[in-house]
Order: sequence, then C-alpha cells, then structure tokens
Amino acid sequence: QKEVEQNSGPLSVPEGAIASLNCTYSDRGSQSFFWYRQYSGKSPELIMSIYSNGDKEDGRFTAQLNKASQYVSLLIRDSQPSDSVTYLCAVGRDTNAGKSTFGDGTTLTVKP
Amino acid sequence: DTEVTQTPKHLVMGMTNKKSLKCEQHMGHRAMYWYKQKAKKPPELMFVYSYEKLSINESVPSRFSPECPNSSLLNLHLHALQPEDSALYLCASSQEQGLGQPQHFGDGTRLSIL
Repeated sequence: QKEVEQNSGPLSVPEGAIASLNCTYSDRGSQSFFWYRQYSGKSPELIMSIYSNGDKEDGRFTAQLNKASQYVSLLIRDSQPSDSVTYLCAVGRDTNAGKSTFGDGTTLTVKP
Repeated sequence: DTEVTQTPKHLVMGMTNKKSLKCEQHMGHRAMYWYKQKAKKPPELMFVYSYEKLSINESVPSRFSPECPNSSLLNLHLHALQPEDSALYLCASSQEQGLGQPQHFGDGTRLSIL
C-alpha cells in the first residue's frame, strides 16, 4: 500500500462544475496536509495547507480533512479550463523530520 | 515567478562532467530541500538541510553532493552521473524543518545526461 494514494485520473469535469480530488494516507500519525498544483514542466505550486479536521476555504478552493478516515480532499468550485493541471497531495508528520510524502498526482481536465 | 530561484534552468552534461546546480531563497527560511522528479511521477526527496546542516540524506548515491554555504544558498554538485539521473531537480524551502511547514518550490533545473 502506498503511503499517499490519489486517483491518477484523468478526472474530467465540465466548465463551471465542482471538481473533487481525493487523497488517502496510511500513516495515522500524519499531521500536515498540502495540496499543490503542477503545470507540465513546472514546479509544484502550493494551493492549500490544512492541519485540523474540517473544511478550509480559500477562494474557489476548499480543502477537507478527516483524520479518522485518513483522507483529505480538494474541491474546486466553478472549475475553469485553466484549472486543467496535475494536483499533488502531500502529507507530513512532524516527528518524521519534516518529510512530506507526495501522492502520484491527479490530472484534472476541465472541458469548456 | 517563484521566491526560490534555481539556476541553470536547463543543463546537458556528459557522464564524465562535473557541474553544479544552484538554489537561492531570500525568505529567511531555515530549511532547504533537494528533490528529483521524473516525468509523470511525484517529487522524490533527496536531501534536507536545516540551519545549514545536512539533516536528511535519502540514501542518495555519492555522485550527488549537496552543499549549503549559507542560509540562503543550496548547491547540488554533480559528478559522473548516469543517464537514469536525467530528471527535473527541484529545490524547495520552508520556514523550519518539520512543524508542518509548507514547502515553496523553485522552477527546477531540467537535467539531461548524455
């Protein structure tokens, strides 16, 4: 079992819809959770960080964390074609010397 | 534009060459990281420096040699690389190592080994 799992996709949604990206993790002691987006050939760009159970909203993005179920999700409202990139989930554990483990990424395609 | 600057953006080298990748940040971050990323794969951690001291070496071959001259700079010295070392090399920094700090990435150096 991978430490951090994401559906590889591609996930396809129509423009204006809500895109839902999911991530599960195996280390129950994980404490920090991040969503990055990565355009092809570019570096990962931090979108959201979340540390406690519940929802965290920032503009069109909402991160949801459920530690009991060991999943973290990213919702993108009013999806735009420009949101069509790969989204990486990263999970960290402070006692693990700051290492974040990345999932393989989910590629999102938003169709006009 | 990112606040973590990497040079060069592209590098082509032969297996017998010696070259260095450079990374610079002026955000006052005390932790800096080197990652390797192959196409369609997530970044793989190579090294972590915390307060200019090597904190983590993820069993990286000795042909990769990191160096942290000061709190703003991070180098990766390359020698006798193999074709399979061709990848995107990413530098990142965070305020501190651990403590749930998000990492900020540079644009990377795309390395090709002939």
